[in-house]
Formats: sequence, C-alpha cells, structure tokens
Amino acid sequence: AQTVTQSQPEMSVQEAETVTLSCTYDTSESNYYLFWYKQPPSRQMILVIRQEAYKQQNATENRFSVNFQKAAKSFSLKISDSQLGDTAMYFCAFSDVLKFYFGSGTKLNVKP
Amino acid sequence: DGGITQSPKYLFRKEGQNVTLSCEQNLNHDAMYWYRQDPGQGLRLIYYSQIVNDFQKGDIAEGYSVSREKKESFPLTVTSAQKNPTAFYLCASSTQVASGSYEQYFGPGTRLTVT
Repeated sequence: AQTVTQSQPEMSVQEAETVTLSCTYDTSESNYYLFWYKQPPSRQMILVIRQEAYKQQNATENRFSVNFQKAAKSFSLKISDSQLGDTAMYFCAFSDVLKFYFGSGTKLNVKP
Repeated sequence: DGGITQSPKYLFRKEGQNVTLSCEQNLNHDAMYWYRQDPGQGLRLIYYSQIVNDFQKGDIAEGYSVSREKKESFPLTVTSAQKNPTAFYLCASSTQVASGSYEQYFGPGTRLTVT
C-alpha cells in the first residue's frame, strides 16, 4: 500500500524568506508521480507542482521548487520569496497513475 | 469556462436521512473521484470511476454510494449507514498529461453537516 507522510503539521515563515516543507512516501511501484497541492482558506485545491519519478531533474514552477530524492523516497517543497498569499494548507500527494494518495498536510503561515 | 462544479456549497441534514452531493465536470475527463476531508487529515478516497457505468471503492467507501451514468456527472450519496457523515467533500476529475501522469482537478467542495 502507498503511504504519504508529512511530519510538519504547521510552519511559519516571514514574508520574502524561504521555507521548505517535507514529505516522505512509501511505495513498491517503479512508475509513479508526485504532487504538491495548495489549499487556501477558500478550500479550493490548487496544483502547485508535479514531479515524474522517472525524471532526475527537480521540477520548478516560478518560486516553487522540489527536492526529489528517489532512493530516500523524499519529496520536499521549497517556496522562495514567500508571499502572504502563500498562506495555506499544503498537501503532498502520490499517484500510481490513476489513484492518488495524500499526506495529512502542513499548514503554512506567512507573516508580514 | 471548463471546470468542476459541486452543489450546494453548504448542506445540512438530519441524522437518518440519505443525502446526495452533486458533482459535474465539463472538462471531458474520463476519471472522477470523491474524497472526504476531516480537520487535521488529508484527503481520503471514497470512490472513483474510470469510465461510465463503472466505479471502484476507495479506502473509506462504507456508508457511501455512487453512480456514473454520464461522463460529466458523478453524484455521491451519503447514506444513513455512514456513522460520522459531517465533513468536507471534494470531487475531482483527472486527465493524462504529456508526461504520462494523471493530473487531478478539484471542485470547490461541499460542506455537509448532519445533526
């Protein structure tokens, strides 16, 4: 069975600084995909970034980047130049193509 | 605009009543999903459907039922057998992207309160 673990229930960061959210997963699959989703107070789930397990290069989307360590089954999210609008719950997710498995989330507070 | 709609945003029911949550998508996605979200927990999969007239149980299907008569629609019924139905329910659909992965798109959710 696939499991996703986020060990940081809540984190805070000052505006304009950098923060890293941790995620580990467990799977015996060789082909899979990893995602970070953002859920702001509106509760709308928004895809932040995607990483294909077969790619060695870490994904980057503007201020968001990941550190994907396949052997360690680790998939952390780095947010650079944090903005107030980044305040949200962040969920790490694993997909073995069609089914998705989510971590319990990290609540990120960006302070002015 | 393409997207996923869930209605209503808030739903209140008395204990012992069945209630159906609506989910409609116009993204032409084949796969659709229902998740339940409780405070302090991630999303837990209730049911999913890959094609019309076919669906599979997720991790917490007990007390729930679904149908998939049309590609665009995947309603979820919360039955009186669900012991703790008060929760936030999210519907999603997915499509395969160029990399081969399936990306999920979510509706705005329905907050169900049963008293």
